[in-house]
Amino acid sequence: QVQLVQSGSELKKPGASVKISCKASGYTFTAYSMNWVRQAPGQGLEWMGWIATNTGKPTYAQGFTGRFVFSLATSVSTAYLQISSLKAEDTAVYYCARGTWLDPWGQGTLVTVSS
Amino acid sequence: EIVMTQTPLSLSVTPGQPASISCKSSQSLLHRDGKTFLFWYLQKPGQPPQLLIYEVSNRFSGVPDRFSGSGSGTDFTLKISRVEAEDVGVYYCMQSTQLPHTFGQGTRLEIK
Repeated sequence: QVQLVQSGSELKKPGASVKISCKASGYTFTAYSMNWVRQAPGQGLEWMGWIATNTGKPTYAQGFTGRFVFSLATSVSTAYLQISSLKAEDTAVYYCARGTWLDPWGQGTLVTVSS
Repeated sequence: EIVMTQTPLSLSVTPGQPASISCKSSQSLLHRDGKTFLFWYLQKPGQPPQLLIYEVSNRFSGVPDRFSGSGSGTDFTLKISRVEAEDVGVYYCMQSTQLPHTFGQGTRLEIK
């Protein structure tokens, strides 16, 4: 079955970096784009952008440029989200979600930024 | 960017009764290709969101037929004909007609 499995929770100090993985299985990885969505504690969903898995071209929503980088390892059907210079307000659950329809979603990765 | 506004933000429904959620967009969601990229998701407690409805009115695979979507242009509605206990959670509409994709604020459904 189609599945996205994300890496585990992370606890980071302000200023550090984190790299979250999203491993796809059950379909041809390069046939669908990959989206990234943020959900701050107790808040709604915020689309961060997406990456074209056939070309590697990323598209970032406003507010997610500079410190946020989408990347791929197509040989292992995996998408990555790297966040640098972490701030307390980056504390959130980060989801990957496949394609135009955003289905399925990964289980989410909680990133906690605290000193 | 297109702003998506959901109402109500919360509702409490007796099992077996209907429920309706409105989603209004600040611009028409009709794409130049003739499709309307309006989606509905349900986020059950402690879970990631799951797709319910795609392109306004198409139920995703496995979604019960008590869920239906309708609308056009800027006004859209998700209806549940008979609410069941398993329907609790937060419902989100999302548009992907125009970048950036944007979500509504979410509507929390609880059971009375």
